[in-house]
Amino acid sequence: AQTVTQSQPEMSVQEAETVTLSCTYDTSENNYYLFWYKQPPSRQMILVIRQEAYKQQNATENRFSVNFQKAAKSFSLKISDSQLGDTAMYFCAFMKLLNAGNMLTFGGGTRLMVKP
Amino acid sequence: GAVVSQHPSWVICKSGTSVKIECRSLDFQATTMFWYRQFPKQSLMLMATSNEGSKATYEQGVEKDKFLINHASLTLSTLTVTSAHPEDSSFYICSARDGGLANTGELFFGEGSRLTVL
Repeated sequence: AQTVTQSQPEMSVQEAETVTLSCTYDTSENNYYLFWYKQPPSRQMILVIRQEAYKQQNATENRFSVNFQKAAKSFSLKISDSQLGDTAMYFCAFMKLLNAGNMLTFGGGTRLMVKP
Repeated sequence: GAVVSQHPSWVICKSGTSVKIECRSLDFQATTMFWYRQFPKQSLMLMATSNEGSKATYEQGVEKDKFLINHASLTLSTLTVTSAHPEDSSFYICSARDGGLANTGELFFGEGSRLTVL
């Protein structure tokens, strides 16, 4: 079974600064997908970024980027130029190979507060 | 982008009654839908996987007779909480995979449904 751990229950950052959210996971799989989801106060889950394990290049989406360390089973999210709208819960998630059913295993979440 | 809609967004019911929550894919065919439960300030826990036209697959510890899941069409899955009790109060979220696209692993989430059992 896979486990996903987010060691930071809460974090805060000043607007316009950079923050990094940590995520580690445990799996015996070699090919898999990793995700970061954002859950704002509206509770709607929003995909932030996705990383395929077979890709060595770290994924980036505008102000969001990841540091994927496969050997260390680490998948941190960096948010640059933080904005007030980034305030939300952030969940790291693991998915086995797609033909295994697309089931997501979520970490416990990190509550991020962006301060003006 | 793909839209998944849940209804109702909030329901309050008396203990002992049954409540149905709907999850619809509005602009795509969802061959697979997932139901999650989220307690306050906690993560999402997968309850079951729902495949169109077949029985749902429940995660360990989830009572299939308590949480009835029906996925009768490619755009609709329903979760019925039978004989609800206060401990069933929670936030229920569904997600769906677009069966018409190459599988990239992306899932689309509904807005969630808050159930409060008095």
